[in-house]
This record gives sequence, C-alpha cells and structure tokens, in this order.
Amino acid sequence: GDSVTQTEGQVTVSESKSLIINCTYSATSIGYPNLFWYVRYPGEGLQLLLKVITAGQKGSSRGFEATYNKEATSFHLQKASVQESDSAVYYCALSDRGTNAYKVIFGKGTHLHVLP
Amino acid sequence: VTLLEQNPRWRLVPRGQAVNLRCILKNSQYPWMSWYQQDLQKQLQWLFTLRSPGDKEVKSLPGADYLATRVTDTELRLQVANMSQGRTLYCTSGTGDNYAEQFFGPGTRLTVL
Repeated sequence: GDSVTQTEGQVTVSESKSLIINCTYSATSIGYPNLFWYVRYPGEGLQLLLKVITAGQKGSSRGFEATYNKEATSFHLQKASVQESDSAVYYCALSDRGTNAYKVIFGKGTHLHVLP
Repeated sequence: VTLLEQNPRWRLVPRGQAVNLRCILKNSQYPWMSWYQQDLQKQLQWLFTLRSPGDKEVKSLPGADYLATRVTDTELRLQVANMSQGRTLYCTSGTGDNYAEQFFGPGTRLTVL
C-alpha cells in the first residue's frame, strides 16, 4: 500500500545548527503522488509548511527546503540554521492527484526541539 | 485564509455513549470537506470526504465507529460511537492544485471515561 516513513520521535538541535528530517514514501497504487510537509507549532493547528507536486522540484518556506526525489522516493526536510521558534511537530505526507487529492497519507510526525 | 470551526473542542465520553461533532467552514467554499482522526500513537488517518449536502458515509475502525454527514455546503458532522480509545478528530477542507492543500480545523479531542 501507500505509506510515509519519517524520522520518528524527538529530534533535538541547538539553535543555528543545521537540520535534516528524513522522509521516504511508498506510492505503489498512487504512482506519482503530491508531497507535503505539514507543521504543528505549540498551541496551534496543523498547517501546510510546503508542498511539491512535480518530481525533481524543490519546495521552500520559512527557511525550510525539501526536494521531490522520485528515484529515491524521498522528500527530506532541511534547514541550514534552525531557530528556537522552529520547535514544532513536523509531518511528511503524500496524496493522490485530482479528485483523490483530499486523501492525505501522513507519517507519524517528528517532534523538533531547538535548544536556545 | 480558510477557517474551519469545530465544536466541541474536547469532550469526555462515557464508554458506550455516542458523541456528535460539528465542523463549520468559514469565509470560503470548497466542495471537499473531510474528517481525519489522530489516535493515541499520533498517527493521522483520513476517514471520509463528503462533497455534497446530503452525502453520508459510515466506517468502523479499531476503537470507534463513525457516521459522517455533509449537512450543507459549509457544515460537516461526525457521530462517533462505541469508542474504546481516545482520539482527536480533525475537519479539513481542500484547496490548491488538484485540491492538493488541506486546511485543518483545530480538532476535537475525545477522551473515554
């Protein structure tokens, strides 16, 4: 089936250090999925951080980047220099296209804790 | 900005009792409104997408039974019954390319007594 696997549990990084949260996916029935990173900041609702719907393209937002690697079936989230305000739970996700795009498949989330 | 209002925001549910949840879409209209659940292991899972007023669907999952109803273009409801494990239910509405972006409501957290 279709699934998303991401770095699990908590990741702790010191402020100004670099970050990578790994995400790989399996899309056996979908074939060519849309890819997303969603984020939940403390006390806030889940919101879209970035999305990429074309293989080989890079998405970016708030200093974060992720590249759609269809060959490696990966969509890792990276940031060169994290800030304390980046502390949040990050979810990698995929969806089908067209009228099935509403059905989003999520990873289990990665809790990022940035030390001041 | 798409806004989704959910109520109640949390509820203690006696074992064996059903609970009714409501979601209202504010300030925009997208045809697709959905329910997602997040279990105690934090896994987010799609449950339903209902497009038109009058649409209904049922589903049984480990830990709960669901009945979803699209009441109007801006209102979605969910009845949760036979819940044995706590969970959080999120309402969403889709937008963007191929409805690719989902806006999430704040969620309703259910705890079993």
